[in-house]
Amino acid sequence: DVKVTQSSRYLVKRTGEKVFLECVQDMDHENMFWYRQDPGLGLRLIYFSYDVKMKEKGDIPEGYSVSREKKERFSLILESASTNQTSMYLCASSQGRNNQPQHFGDGTRLSIL
Amino acid sequence: AQSVTQLGSHVSVSEGALVLLRCNYSSSVPPYLFWYVQYPNQGLQLLLKYTSAATLVKGINGFEAEFKKSETSFHLTKPSAHMSDAAEYFCAVRAIYNTDKLIFGTGTRLQVFP
Repeated sequence: DVKVTQSSRYLVKRTGEKVFLECVQDMDHENMFWYRQDPGLGLRLIYFSYDVKMKEKGDIPEGYSVSREKKERFSLILESASTNQTSMYLCASSQGRNNQPQHFGDGTRLSIL
Repeated sequence: AQSVTQLGSHVSVSEGALVLLRCNYSSSVPPYLFWYVQYPNQGLQLLLKYTSAATLVKGINGFEAEFKKSETSFHLTKPSAHMSDAAEYFCAVRAIYNTDKLIFGTGTRLQVFP
């Protein structure tokens, strides 16, 4: 089975801090994704990576950046955390072929105080 | 633009009753469609996917979905609800502009009463 592991289940940070969310997958998938999940809004794509060092902006990239130095690891960075970034963050991965499903981690619930 | 609409943000059923969760999509090309389930405090898990083969797709945990092109729908059903089915369900369509991406609906929370 595919395993997508997010480093923290719950995280509390302060406004203005630089925050790192880490995600690791063990299936050699080409694609990795970061989503934000908010009630009533479903999942919104923040960033997408289709290869090492390659990234593409999603629907809501403002205030976020990403890093993919190794194939199995995809990091989401909040450059200067703000209270409106309090949310559930989900990481996913998929094979780099059409129509392959995405596999999700358990999420990180981030609170910015 | 592509979109996915899930009618009803909350659905409540009694244990043993039929479950029907609605999903309508818009797509200018034949769509590839997915249903995911999210149990409390977990990530999303794939229930089933439609990839232009049979229009009736069977998934895990007794769920199935029927693709109806004329209605642009992909509703999720289960004949008899179980308490363990209580979760949030998301419908998604493959993006045309980048086939590795998915466009998600806003989700439907299913409650099951004894």
